[in-house]
Amino acid sequence: KQEVTQIPAALSVPEGENLVLNCSFTDSAIYNLQWFRQDPGKGLTSLLLIQSSQREQTSGRLNASLDKSSGRSTLYIAASQPGDSATYLCAVWDDYKLSFGAGTTVTVRA
Amino acid sequence: NAGVTQTPKFQVLKTGQSMTLQCAQDMNHNSMYWYRQDPGMGLRLIYYSASEGTTDKGEVPNGYNVSRLNKREFSLRLESAAPSQTSVYFCASSGIGTGNGRYEQYFGPGTRLTVT
Repeated sequence: KQEVTQIPAALSVPEGENLVLNCSFTDSAIYNLQWFRQDPGKGLTSLLLIQSSQREQTSGRLNASLDKSSGRSTLYIAASQPGDSATYLCAVWDDYKLSFGAGTTVTVRA
Repeated sequence: NAGVTQTPKFQVLKTGQSMTLQCAQDMNHNSMYWYRQDPGMGLRLIYYSASEGTTDKGEVPNGYNVSRLNKREFSLRLESAAPSQTSVYFCASSGIGTGNGRYEQYFGPGTRLTVT
């Protein structure tokens, strides 16, 4: 059974600092890995999807890396802003379904 | 396109009552899913439907039933609600994203259910 872990569970940084969010998974036989953002009381919004054959994916200030052999992915958010405050969830595609981590809740202080 | 829609947004039930959560998607996706989200536990898969006419159990199916009514609609039924089913329920569908051509999962806004 795939286990997905996100550390830390919560993170508070001053505005402008770069954010580093970690995700680890136990079974490296994954198809893809997807990062989501969730605002309080809202649904999930997809941020980035990394295919299993890729090492990284970038979108604006966001960059996600994937190391399948070590079972790790990292989401980098450059020059954080208060609007980046949210919970970030990592999920791995394991054949037909996603397995989720519990998320990292980020607070960016103005 | 509305994407994935869910009704109702909020619901309060008494123990033993039944209800159906509705979900619809307009992206022509084959696969649809129901998850529950509890504090500190991430999202857990209840049931999924790989295509119209098929359904399969996920990680936490006990106490729930589902119906894939057609390609667009996938409903979740609680036959006899229990306080342990207090949670936020999300419906999702999977398919090729219109913006990037990649196979991704798209989520509805959620239903917040309280069972007293």
